[in-house]
Order: sequence, then C-alpha cells, then structure tokens
Amino acid sequence: QMQLVEYGGGVVQPGGSLSLSCAASAFTLSSYGMHWVRQAPGKGLEWVAFIEYDGRTKDCADSVKGRFIISRDSSRNILYLQMNSLTTEDTAVYFCARGRGPPPHQFFDFWGQGTLVTVSS
Amino acid sequence: DIQMTQSPSTLSASVGDRVTITCRASQSISDWLAWYQQKPGKAPILLIYRASNLASGVPSRFSGSGSGTEFTLTISSLQTDDFATYYCQQFDSYSHTFGQGTKLEIK
Repeated sequence: QMQLVEYGGGVVQPGGSLSLSCAASAFTLSSYGMHWVRQAPGKGLEWVAFIEYDGRTKDCADSVKGRFIISRDSSRNILYLQMNSLTTEDTAVYFCARGRGPPPHQFFDFWGQGTLVTVSS
Repeated sequence: DIQMTQSPSTLSASVGDRVTITCRASQSISDWLAWYQQKPGKAPILLIYRASNLASGVPSRFSGSGSGTEFTLTISSLQTDDFATYYCQQFDSYSHTFGQGTKLEIK
C-alpha cells in the first residue's frame, strides 16, 4: 500500500536546526516531483519546497529561502528537508506530498500524515 | 507571487444542500488549479485538479469549474462526511499558493 511517512519533527530552540525525513513505500520517489508543505497551528497551507523527479531542479518559498534545503536519497527512497536558522514562524506541521504533472504545474495527489515542528525557547 | 482568495471563509449548510465555494486568483492561471479537502488532524486529500478533473476515488457529487482567475468547487448534495475545510491551490507557478481555506460547518 502506498505510503508517505514523515519523521524527525520535535521541539527546537530559535536559531536551531532540524532535519525532516519522508519515507516512501510502494512507489519510487525518484519518479515524481516531491514537495514539502507546512501548516502552522490553526492556519492554512503553505508550500515550502520542491525537488524535481531527477533532482536537478529545486525551488523553495521566499519565506525559507537560504535556510531550508530539500534533497532526496534515491537509494533509500527518502525525501529530506534540512531546516536551519529556525524561527518561531516556522512552527508548523510539515507534510511531504507527491507532485503530478510537468513542473512547475504540479498538484499534490498524495500526502503524508505530517510531522510537527515546534520552535520555542 | 500569485494570491488566491477564497470565499466564503466559513459556510454553514445542511445535509443534502448544494454548496459552492469560490476561489479567485490575482492573475490568470489558466486551469492550473486544484481543490483539497482537509479534516482536523489529517492530511489534505486531492479532490479536483486542472480546475475540473475529478481525482481518483472522489465522489461524483464534487465538481469544479472555471478558468483564468475565477473558479468554483460545488458539492451537489452535502453528506455528513463532507463537513471539513476546503482549500484551492494554484499550480501555475512554483509558488504553489493556497487559498486561505473555507470551513464547511453543519447548520
């Protein structure tokens, strides 16, 4: 059964770093564009970052540019999000999502259950 | 960046009602629009893509229409399971902006 499972969330102090992982089952990550989307508590959805199926094209939201890095390990079928210089504004549930369609025209047809990142002193 | 505005923010309706949610883009996005349903504590579920295409497994009471800057999601006859928050999302550009959401409540 197809699954995306995120892990690595937790509590981190402002200015700290955290690395999220998203493990895929029953499909190959490197065949799809993959995205991270976040949702602050009680708020709406915000797209965070994208990596193309072949890993050559990456992009991220202005709000995280220069601080967050998206990457992928094809051999392990895992997507990553390295988050640096975290602020309280980064507190959110982080979802990984599979993209469908030719970039940048990708909608998200399958999502993980999310992992909570809390930035607090 | 392209801004997406949904209306209304909250909608109260009854089982069996026909409801429509509107999403407006700040510039033309052709038909690069998707709709998602989200329930509390859960991940979003894709309902509609390319403005009017029903995603796999989604009931036919859901439909989408529109192009350019104005789009609608219609639920033809509300079921109990449909009370949730709905988001539109543009995928014309890499920013992949979402609308602010419409919470569909039981009247």
